[in-house]
Amino acid sequence: GAGVSQSPSNKVTEKGKDVELRCDPISGHTALYWYRQSLGQGLEFLIYFQGNSAPDKSGLPSDRFSAERTGGSVSTLTIQRTQQEDSAVYLCASSDSGVRGRETQYFGPGTRLLVL
Amino acid sequence: SQQGEEDPQALSIQEGENATMNCSYKTSINNLQWYRQNSGRGLVHLILIRSNEREKHSGRLRVTLDTSKKSSSLLITASRAADTASYFCATAPLRAGGTSYGKLTFGQGTILTVHP
Repeated sequence: GAGVSQSPSNKVTEKGKDVELRCDPISGHTALYWYRQSLGQGLEFLIYFQGNSAPDKSGLPSDRFSAERTGGSVSTLTIQRTQQEDSAVYLCASSDSGVRGRETQYFGPGTRLLVL
Repeated sequence: SQQGEEDPQALSIQEGENATMNCSYKTSINNLQWYRQNSGRGLVHLILIRSNEREKHSGRLRVTLDTSKKSSSLLITASRAADTASYFCATAPLRAGGTSYGKLTFGQGTILTVHP
């Protein structure tokens, strides 16, 4: 079956513009995660969805970052008024759930964001 | 600071040799997972070990977990040039009731280079 897909693969934008990053999880996976990987900070958790709700948004770095998930499937991460420090690879992962035996997270290929 | 600290930061070996990477963490965990990343893109799940397990094998991979020392190791036996990649450990926190919803905290990673 298809894995996790993300679009776009690469995004170059100008400082101050808004960007939207999309994640299509594995069909049927109820849990969805966003992570960010940057040179200075390594891999960081951003937000977790269970179904359409986000019980943990603790990793979102500022109020410029938001995310939503609809239909228990596709998720969109939006960054408003982008800054150069937002440049990073944004990774999405999904899992069947947090239930024992189904915790493995499957990652997408990521979106490489460059803010000029 | 990162939950997981990995050691060494970089490892360079010849094909056929074994590679050992270590990971230490700080808080109580539900499980620990090892991932591989090629060229800074998507993460590939290698193996998951639960907090009540001490050792796990998968093909040429052997993972150990010592919860008393809060440490884990990944051993790749008979390495191949294709094993060249970055390897990350990631921990899932322990919640009340012994469950985990799966939010992962990653180490900084070990860059493994296997020379043909």
